[in-house]
Amino acid sequence: EVQLVESGRGLIQPGGSLRLSCAASGFTVSSIYMNWVRQAPGTGLEWVSLITSGGSPYYAESVKGRFTISRDNSKNTVYLQMNSLRAEDTAVYYCNAHGGDAFDFWGQGTPVTVSS
Amino acid sequence: QSVLTQPPSASGTPGQRVIISCSGSGSNIGRNYVYWYQQIPGTAPQLLVYRNDQRPSGVPDRFSGSKSGTSASLAISGLRSEDEADYYCAAWDDSLSGRVFGGGTKLTVL
Repeated sequence: EVQLVESGRGLIQPGGSLRLSCAASGFTVSSIYMNWVRQAPGTGLEWVSLITSGGSPYYAESVKGRFTISRDNSKNTVYLQMNSLRAEDTAVYYCNAHGGDAFDFWGQGTPVTVSS
Repeated sequence: QSVLTQPPSASGTPGQRVIISCSGSGSNIGRNYVYWYQQIPGTAPQLLVYRNDQRPSGVPDRFSGSKSGTSASLAISGLRSEDEADYYCAAWDDSLSGRVFGGGTKLTVL
């Protein structure tokens, strides 16, 4: 059974850092595209970052230079390191495994609040 | 403003057919596959349609997707109360080198 479990929720001050984790089971994170997608309160889905099966990272313009996506194949886990956090980064962050076909799974989401 | 444009709301009565549109451009819908997601508030999105018009197993055939040029649409026939949710279209954008989502359409079953 495919499962994605995010962790790293938190209340962070502006300018602070936080690392989110997405532990996968039922498949190998290095074999598929892994995304982070966020949803600010009362708004729609916003794509944040992607790491391809080949290990290439991609970022939304809004987080470029501040966020870093990575993965640990030995732990079958994907990470999102978030630095220089701003109030507008406040959202529920979802981990998404996207195969381009019917293989598309989401974690339960982890809330991040950036506030002083 | 989202790169993909969807109507913010749609509605219908039980049994009716509703169509949700998604408008993009040549760098996203025009060149790449479109995906549709259903999100019940407070839960994670779920894939409804992949590669423009394909349904994952378990998704009722009441849901169907189509694409023409730089636009796509999701049709829901035989509307049921449990279809009340937010619906999002998504595609890869070659110019942005990123995935883009529509702003979402809130479907109300009257």
